[in-house]
Amino acid sequence: QSALTQPPSASGSPGQSVTISCTGTSSDVGGYTYVSWYQQHPGKAPKLLISEDSKRPSGVPDRFSGSKSGNTASLTVSGLQAEDEADYYCSSYAGSDNFVFGTGTKVTVL
Amino acid sequence: EVQLVESGGGLVQPGGSLRLSCAASGFTFRNYWMHWVRQAPGKGPVWVSRINQDGNKRGHADSVKGRFLISRDNAKNTLYLQMNGLRAEETAVYYCAREGEPGAPDYWGPGTLVTVSS
Repeated sequence: QSALTQPPSASGSPGQSVTISCTGTSSDVGGYTYVSWYQQHPGKAPKLLISEDSKRPSGVPDRFSGSKSGNTASLTVSGLQAEDEADYYCSSYAGSDNFVFGTGTKVTVL
Repeated sequence: EVQLVESGGGLVQPGGSLRLSCAASGFTFRNYWMHWVRQAPGKGPVWVSRINQDGNKRGHADSVKGRFLISRDNAKNTLYLQMNGLRAEETAVYYCAREGEPGAPDYWGPGTLVTVSS
């Protein structure tokens, strides 16, 4: 199972928005409504931001939103804050009880 | 408070075996699917395996099939990962995680480091 493709980096100034893409295939991202997004700060475990393509678990700020079109999912972080500087990973169910993560995107707040 | 605490990591030679454990508390363990995810130093997370509530349905990544086995003991609120035939490239922090949202782990442990080296 190949990793989902994400851009290596993204950046924005405080208050701006940044959008991260996650490209897979019809066997994973495009085939199921089970794309999730995670934020990871150095030395910490990943934190769930989005599940089922676009659902935000309780406690996650509404600045984080998810969407999907075909085989590409996206995470948008609006109103960037300094604490949003982190690595972001997507993940998708890939059928047959398999999951796959993305390659990761490092977000820098300028 | 949901807590997951992994243990059992350490240094092992290539070809060796380790059994990881994950002690769960703060939630009804038997009601949730559970995952193992690993992350090599400086790399992204890689999904390893998942097990259903009763322990009778499992999934493993192709890279570990036949060598790793996920299991659970609901009476002890503990998740396990038996790892055999370990390879140097499997050096990583191994996390256990609860699937609290459909298809998405929501709580993760701090991880346990497995180093495969001679």
